[in-house]
Amino acid sequence: DAGVTQSPTHLIKTRGQQVTLRCSPKSGHDTVSWYQQALGQGPQFIFQYYEEEERQRGNFPDRFSGHQFPNYSSEPNVNALLLGDSALYLCASTWDRGGGDTQYFGPGTRLTVL
Amino acid sequence: QQQVKQSPQSLIVQKGGISIINCAYENTAFDYFPWYQQFPGKGPALLIAIRPDVSEKKEGRFTISFNKSAKQFSLHIMDSQPGDSATYFCAASKSSNTGKLIFGQGTTLQVKP
Repeated sequence: DAGVTQSPTHLIKTRGQQVTLRCSPKSGHDTVSWYQQALGQGPQFIFQYYEEEERQRGNFPDRFSGHQFPNYSSEPNVNALLLGDSALYLCASTWDRGGGDTQYFGPGTRLTVL
Repeated sequence: QQQVKQSPQSLIVQKGGISIINCAYENTAFDYFPWYQQFPGKGPALLIAIRPDVSEKKEGRFTISFNKSAKQFSLHIMDSQPGDSATYFCAASKSSNTGKLIFGQGTTLQVKP
């Protein structure tokens, strides 16, 4: 049973560029949440996707957007990258009808903005 | 506004000792409190979680103690091992807000052999 997978592992971009991240949830899960983890900090909630729509959003600007596909995978985009966007981006999945509390995290994508 | 405060920031414990990490929350609507363990270069892994209807939950060497009136909860790692050396995060969420975990700042634990 595959866990949460994310790609790519690492990304290097320059300021102003756009980036797309990818996540496949754990088998059987239908809800995907995204978190940003700056170095030495706890993860911060960006947004959550359920039934192909953004269901919740944290305190992040609309430069952060995304999609969820019918197979429950998710691809967030970050536009007009800033140096401060450098972080580990974590995808977490859960099963909404199973209560949704227990979230399983992927290994993350390390984004470096130069 | 930091809704979940975690302490200490770092902790050094001898092998076989007890590691204790504390968290305090502000929002009384929180009703799910997990602890995650994170190794360098890896995503957080769920360790143990508790709901406010119980004051303690134990799984192997890991125990959560929960004090609803004080809005505090803690993780106790008994018989700490070098393999436990990692960063630990407490978190909280509301069932009505499924999936939006609010994390503490993390505690880096080093267990010395």
